[in-house]
Amino acid sequence: AQSVTQLDSQVPVFEEAPVELRCNYSSSVSVYLFWYVQYPNQGLQLLLKYLSGSTLVKGINGFEAEFNKSQTSFHLRKPSVHISDTAEYFCAVSDTASKLTFGTGTRLQVTL
Amino acid sequence: EPEVTQTPSHQVTQMGQEVILRCVPISNHLYFYWYRQILGQKVEFLVSFYNNEISEKSEIFDDQFSVERPDGSNFTLKIRSTKLEDSAMYFCASRDYDRNYGYTFGSGTRLTVV
Repeated sequence: AQSVTQLDSQVPVFEEAPVELRCNYSSSVSVYLFWYVQYPNQGLQLLLKYLSGSTLVKGINGFEAEFNKSQTSFHLRKPSVHISDTAEYFCAVSDTASKLTFGTGTRLQVTL
Repeated sequence: EPEVTQTPSHQVTQMGQEVILRCVPISNHLYFYWYRQILGQKVEFLVSFYNNEISEKSEIFDDQFSVERPDGSNFTLKIRSTKLEDSAMYFCASRDYDRNYGYTFGSGTRLTVV
């Protein structure tokens, strides 16, 4: 069985400040990791994914994430956020060509 | 860019009624999924579908739920007798066979049971 923990339910941050959204996972096998973003009243959009290879993954909208196997983490970062980054961010894990297991989400609130 | 299309975007139904949520996955994708998100909660897996049969389902996906790919392009989720607790956003997703795990989600159907 696999699970995902997103420790922060809400993260307030000022515009142009850096942000890190935390994600930890547990799985008995090798995993594939994803970050999705959900803007208000919209669907899920893939930000980035880790399948194999380099542990630093770059995604859309200036986001990146680092896979850390020893700490079972996949934290999402952005060096300078914009008001338009305000959204819900979901970390997800998949152990095979199978379903995704999502975390509870982190609400990123960017203010001026 | 190819999209997963879901209709309707919002459906209101009375408790006990049957509803069918419709999805058109990306045409060359082979794996299809339904997820749901109760307001304010996380996205939960319901069912996966491959080669015209269910490949995996969650505890949530009980006998009142069913899925079908009736015509090679649509992928539907039927709820036979809706309950208040079925109110949620339902997302369809599809994925190709290539192991780059390109899940693509639709924009969802918000189901409100009254």
